[in-house]
Amino acid sequence: NAGVTQTPKFRVLKTGQSMTLLCAQDMNHEYMYWYRQDPGMGLRLIHYSVGEGTTAKGEVPDGYNVSRLKKQNFLLGLESAAPSQTSVYFCASSYGDGRLYGYTFGSGTRLTVV
Amino acid sequence: TQLLEQSPQFLSIQEGENLTVYCNSSSVFSSLQWYRQEPGEGPVLLVTVVTGGEVKKLKRLTFQFGDARKDSSLHITAAQPGDTGLYLCAGISSGSARQLTFGSGTQLTVLP
Repeated sequence: NAGVTQTPKFRVLKTGQSMTLLCAQDMNHEYMYWYRQDPGMGLRLIHYSVGEGTTAKGEVPDGYNVSRLKKQNFLLGLESAAPSQTSVYFCASSYGDGRLYGYTFGSGTRLTVV
Repeated sequence: TQLLEQSPQFLSIQEGENLTVYCNSSSVFSSLQWYRQEPGEGPVLLVTVVTGGEVKKLKRLTFQFGDARKDSSLHITAAQPGDTGLYLCAGISSGSARQLTFGSGTQLTVLP
């Protein structure tokens, strides 16, 4: 089925460990995004990309890095995990800036940092 | 940062009742979207409104964009247990930063 696929779905990290979250979309969308969702705070934008080879910072970028080497993939890296990064992470993609057709979201990665 | 405030934060009603959820901001948005999210899943787009005063209907759901494009409402008629979920409004600003800003959501529970 067409859409956005995130891996892994669950992960537990120890403080200081690193990991990479993978997002893949098969809709040929130019724009891709990483959000985190915390209780009572909605979704906050971490980083985004408007095309292959380009990335930009969102609202809460500290402690994260991203790469968009291929149009269909957007990777989110945690260099040294902290308990404050415990959250549910969502990847999304859009046709253009999403103003008219909205975003398509993956099903999320639940990350716990202990 | 453009802020979107949703109210109420939580809503629990009986099947068959009507309800309205509000999304307000001091900023103007070029478009506003409503998403519904179920546990363990990502948000799913319900509707996009782009014109001030626009009203869109999706079965028992009615969405309205304020005349000044700063606020929106979602009205559900005769709610059903299947309507249970987290409803999120999200807006794209009129400025150069074209990212989607989300409200904190309204958790709706419809009891049978």
